[in-house]
Amino acid sequence: AQSVTQLGSHVSVSEGALVLLRCNYSSSVPPYLFWYVQYPNQGLQLLLKYTSAATLVKGINGFEAEFKKSETSFHLTKPSAHMSDAAEYFCAVSNYGGATNKLIFGTGTLLAVQP
Amino acid sequence: GAGVSQSPRYKVAKRGQDVALRCDPISGHVSLFWYQQALGQGPEFLTYFQNEAQLDKSGLPSDRFFAERPEGSVSTLKIQRTQQEDSAVYLCASSPSEEETQYFGPGTRLLVL
Repeated sequence: AQSVTQLGSHVSVSEGALVLLRCNYSSSVPPYLFWYVQYPNQGLQLLLKYTSAATLVKGINGFEAEFKKSETSFHLTKPSAHMSDAAEYFCAVSNYGGATNKLIFGTGTLLAVQP
Repeated sequence: GAGVSQSPRYKVAKRGQDVALRCDPISGHVSLFWYQQALGQGPEFLTYFQNEAQLDKSGLPSDRFFAERPEGSVSTLKIQRTQQEDSAVYLCASSPSEEETQYFGPGTRLLVL
């Protein structure tokens, strides 16, 4: 079975500071990994995805994530936080090629950006 | 172009009522997914369609939940005899094919009183 664990349900950073949101996964098959962002009263928007190509994945809005198989991690980073980054972030795993390409989500991390 | 749309955006139901939630996927998208997002939680998979075929309904929590996509485009999620524990945001997502990125709609927030 696949699962995702997001460490830290709430993260607060100052504007301009590094953003680090943690995600660890469990999967018996090579995983596909995703980060989605959710703004209040909106649906989920894809930030980036890892599909077994380059281990460092660059996404939208200056975010990137690195797949580390040895650590079963896929942490999301951004060098300098902006006020508009305040939102909830979800890490998800899927195993394309399985019976259903459903996404299995973590419980989310709410990012607050302080001025 | 138009994204995934869902209606209604908000629904208040009395316990025991039936509700129907609609999803309009992106035109031409073959795959359609429904997820349930309880307050403070991540979305959880409910069911999956490939065109009009419901290939996976393993996430439906009870037989009160029913989904259909009769013509391979618009989908409806129906909940019969709603219960308070059904209160959640119901998200619909579509993708061009099985192995491509899922695009999410804004969700329907259901409150059962």
